[in-house]
Amino acid sequence: RKEVEQDPGPFNVPEGATVAFNCTYSNSASQSFFWYRQDCRKEPKLLMSVYSSGNEDGRFTAQLNRASQYISLLIRDSKLSDSATYLCVVNMNNFNKFYFGSGTKLNVKP
Amino acid sequence: DVKVTQSSRYLVKRTGEKVFLECVQDMDHENMFWYRQDPGLGLRLIYFSYDVKMKEKGDIPEGYSVSREKKERFSLILESASTNQTSMYLCASSLQGAMETQYFGPGTRLLVL
Repeated sequence: RKEVEQDPGPFNVPEGATVAFNCTYSNSASQSFFWYRQDCRKEPKLLMSVYSSGNEDGRFTAQLNRASQYISLLIRDSKLSDSATYLCVVNMNNFNKFYFGSGTKLNVKP
Repeated sequence: DVKVTQSSRYLVKRTGEKVFLECVQDMDHENMFWYRQDPGLGLRLIYFSYDVKMKEKGDIPEGYSVSREKKERFSLILESASTNQTSMYLCASSLQGAMETQYFGPGTRLLVL
């Protein structure tokens, strides 16, 4: 079983739609959680960290559910520029070791 | 702005060749990482280093070695390249700590023939 699992998609949504992705992780002792964004043929970049209480950054909301061991990313009012692959990242109780999901692809269409 | 650079964007090598991939960061980060990224498998950690001359194996270290002689530079070595090492190689750096952001280089796309 993979440490971090994501639905690969693609999620095809119209501009202005709300879309949500989930990511599950296997280790209940995991300490920190992130969403990274990766554009086609580019390197991953941090989108946002995920805090226990949930957090919001503009149109993006991240939630953590420790009981069910998943994190989620909600994107409101989707823009064409949101088209990318979204990577879920989990630190499994080791300061220097991070596990990446294989990513969820989002296509926002006009 | 943090900058992580990698020595090559594209490389073509032959089976059995020794391959060096270099990564340099300019933000005095303690941690440096080497990942490979393959379709459907995501990023997998090959090695990481938390200090000069210090290294730890990641999940797929077989066939690879690393060197960190200076804080800003982390090299990945393929001792004898094989076709199953054809992949995208990504270097990253970060400060110490579980909540720290990783900053990635642009990647090296390696083809082993």
